[in-house]
Amino acid sequence: EVVLTQSPASVSLSPGERATLSCRASHSVSNFLFWYQHKPGQSPRLLIYDASNRATGIPARFSASGSGTDFTLTISSLEPEDFAVYYCQHRSSPPPFTFGPGTKVDLK
Amino acid sequence: QVQLQESGPGLVKPSGTLSLTCVVSGASINTNDWWSWVRQPLGKGLEWIGEIYPRGNSIDNPSLNNRVTISVDTSKNEFSLRLTSVTAADTAVYYCARVSYCGGECYSGYHGMDVWGQGITVIVSS
Repeated sequence: EVVLTQSPASVSLSPGERATLSCRASHSVSNFLFWYQHKPGQSPRLLIYDASNRATGIPARFSASGSGTDFTLTISSLEPEDFAVYYCQHRSSPPPFTFGPGTKVDLK
Repeated sequence: QVQLQESGPGLVKPSGTLSLTCVVSGASINTNDWWSWVRQPLGKGLEWIGEIYPRGNSIDNPSLNNRVTISVDTSKNEFSLRLTSVTAADTAVYYCARVSYCGGECYSGYHGMDVWGQGITVIVSS
């Protein structure tokens, strides 16, 4: 089973600052890595597929990179609506398609 | 516009069976997409439960110890989750989601979970 670890567990930032979130896989997942944003009381929202491709409607301030075991999600300039928990998930066979534990981005 | 809506009991007794249904509207369920269940225990992260491909098989998380059954009813355009022998640890918000197929247009073949239900809270308690 692939285990995903995310760092940091939480980070406090101000609007306009840059956020850099990391996701590391215990085994290579190639580019089969996805990022989701989750706000309290809402459903998760797909941000990134295939490690680096923005999903439909996702603003350009969200970018992502990586392959194999090391991945990064970057928010270039935080907007007030970006404060949330961010999860990575893999879809590399065999299942289970686990999620990472999440990184909470909160307001400094 | 594709929409998903979960339904089911909000309270289940310990050792009982949790049964949820996700109705899909705005699109046929009988496509190359997978249909997924994810949960979030209170104060914890997201957990992948499993998913089903209407034209084939289902897969689920071994950490749930063979307690999961995911099924699909294409005539009703819905899919379901059944979790047996529940305990308090199964108390969570349960989400259904579509894993959107993109075929050769994307590397993995899937866009990811691009449409989600609003979530349903299930409490396991006597």
